[in-house]
Amino acid sequence: SQTIHQWPATLVQPVGSPLSLECTVEGTSNPNLYWYRQAAGRGLQLLFYSVGIGQISSEVPQNLSASRPQDRQFILSSKKLLLSDSGFYLCAWEDGTDTQYFGPGTRLTVL
Amino acid sequence: QKEVEQDPGPLSVPEGAIVSLNCTYSNSAFQYFMWYRQYSRKGPELLMYTYSSGNKEDGRFTAQVDKSSKYISLFIRDSQPSDSATYLCAMSTTSGTYKYIFGTGTRLKVLA
Repeated sequence: SQTIHQWPATLVQPVGSPLSLECTVEGTSNPNLYWYRQAAGRGLQLLFYSVGIGQISSEVPQNLSASRPQDRQFILSSKKLLLSDSGFYLCAWEDGTDTQYFGPGTRLTVL
Repeated sequence: QKEVEQDPGPLSVPEGAIVSLNCTYSNSAFQYFMWYRQYSRKGPELLMYTYSSGNKEDGRFTAQVDKSSKYISLFIRDSQPSDSATYLCAMSTTSGTYKYIFGTGTRLKVLA
């Protein structure tokens, strides 16, 4: 069966510091991968999606970036965090069946 | 107008009640409809997936899609305290668009 991992689970970072969140998927090949941010009362905001290694599409202009160095690895990064980057970050995968499966999430607090 | 509207709740019901959760949408091109359950501080978990109009049943859960009214529902029978969570609806247009639109979620509390 497929499993999706995210780490770290919780992160507290100062404003202006860098960020690296990692997501890995097991048990499937060539998945579509997604990064979302969830804020209270605002639902899930799609940040990036990827259909293959090195192929990244950005949905929202911001100071975040994403990379997919391996088939089942998706990384969310920032060079300098802003207060507004605080939130719950979710990675999801989809294998072409039009349904997404989410990881456990990373709760990021920027102080 | 948001593409997907969902009442945030909270919705409180006694144990054993039938729960009805709903979403309305404005884009008539949506064809794939999903319901997710999200416990506090956890990632969403896929509950139901339906394509086009009609009903789909899975245990105590029934998903209903009415495309003519642009309205989808999730019914939970014999609700349990363990059903207390936030329920998110999601939808997409044709297959392979990579874009899923989510509702903001309805918080459900089932009281023992």
